[in-house]
Amino acid sequence: AQSVTQLGSHVSVSEGALVLLRCNYSSSVPPYLFWYVQYPNQGLQLLLKYTSAATLVKGINGFEAEFKKSETSFHLTKPSAHMSDAAEYFCAVREEVIQGAQKLVFGQGTRLTINP
Amino acid sequence: ETGVTQSPTHLIKTRGQQVTLRCSSQSGHNTVSWYQQALGQGPQFIFQYYREEENGRGNFPPRFSGLQFPNYSSELNVNALELDDSALYLCASSLVGGRGETQYFGPGTRLLVL
Repeated sequence: AQSVTQLGSHVSVSEGALVLLRCNYSSSVPPYLFWYVQYPNQGLQLLLKYTSAATLVKGINGFEAEFKKSETSFHLTKPSAHMSDAAEYFCAVREEVIQGAQKLVFGQGTRLTINP
Repeated sequence: ETGVTQSPTHLIKTRGQQVTLRCSSQSGHNTVSWYQQALGQGPQFIFQYYREEENGRGNFPPRFSGLQFPNYSSELNVNALELDDSALYLCASSLVGGRGETQYFGPGTRLLVL
């Protein structure tokens, strides 16, 4: 079974500072990896995904993530935090349930707080 | 393009009751997956529906069941509700067959069991 570990349940940064949210995965096959964002009382919105093309993936809202196979990591970064980035962030790996059926295995989430 | 919609947005039930949650998939998608997100946790996979049949199931008991309709919309039914069923229930739709197919989530239904 595949798994995802997000280091740090809560990250706090100042507005304008670098955002770094850590994600490590465990997978026996080349993974498909995703980052989703969840604003308060809302569903999940896709930020970006890695599907074995370029290792540096650019997403929405200025976020990007780099796939590093040697480190089994897929950390999410943003050069300059904005107040609107305050939310819960989830890293996920896609896993085949049975042939053709796919599910997402999520990490526990990281709550990002932006200080003015 | 219409996104994933879910109804109702909130629901309060008592222990032992039954509940039905509904999901309309994004236009062009043929697969619906359901997830349970307990407070402070990541979403957990319940099951997936494709071609109106259950196409994969997570570690949830049989009292969690579902349906998918010809228009690809879906229902999640939970019988004999327990207090621990209180959670946000998320529906996600996707298109089977595409490489790196992506699941797009609805806003969720928040269920409280008293």
